[in-house]
Amino acid sequence: GDSVTQMEGPVTLSEEAFLTINCTYTATGYPSLFWYVQYPGEGLQLLLKATKADDKGSNKGFEATYRKETTSFHLEKGSVQVSDSAVYFCALSGANTGNQFYFGTGTSLTVIP
Amino acid sequence: DAGVTQSPTHLIKTRGQHVTLRCSPISGHKSVSWYQQVLGQGPQFIFQYYEKEERGRGNFPDRFSARQFPNYSSELNVNALLLGDSALYLCASSLTPASGRFNEQFFGPGTRLTVL
Repeated sequence: GDSVTQMEGPVTLSEEAFLTINCTYTATGYPSLFWYVQYPGEGLQLLLKATKADDKGSNKGFEATYRKETTSFHLEKGSVQVSDSAVYFCALSGANTGNQFYFGTGTSLTVIP
Repeated sequence: DAGVTQSPTHLIKTRGQHVTLRCSPISGHKSVSWYQQVLGQGPQFIFQYYEKEERGRGNFPDRFSARQFPNYSSELNVNALLLGDSALYLCASSLTPASGRFNEQFFGPGTRLTVL
């Protein structure tokens, strides 16, 4: 079945460091891919998405490219800020499963000044 | 515009009891999905409702049930609570399939359920 494997954390970075959080997926057909962010005590917020191969999603300085050849959707940011501290979830919506989402286990990011 | 709202925010129950969680979708959204997020894990899909009909069900026991009302709000019911049901329950809403954004889900803040 469809699934998402996400880089385990926690990740601790200094402010202005480069961030990569790895995400790979298993799915039939052509799923849509998402990154969600969860701040402490809050629900999930959509960060970015990509709906077809080679699409690049971007938002708030974060980027991720849908790579079908490597079944990956890695999240990157060139210079993290303290306010980026949160848990990041990679997710997919299968081509044949409507909008049922499959989430990774989440990666906790802490950015220190 | 208001986002997805859920009630209550927190809830404490004892084993064997029943619980009802409520969700109001974003105005104009007709699809509601429910997820269970156990501490330290990603959300797990429980149900999806669209146009008041169940459209998908995850791998959860029959103790879990849900429904969607004519105004598109939704309830999640869990019977015979177990300790393992303690989790954050998230509701998400989305637009119709015709919008082309059916799989863009907007999440509520969740209901934190503790079973003692």
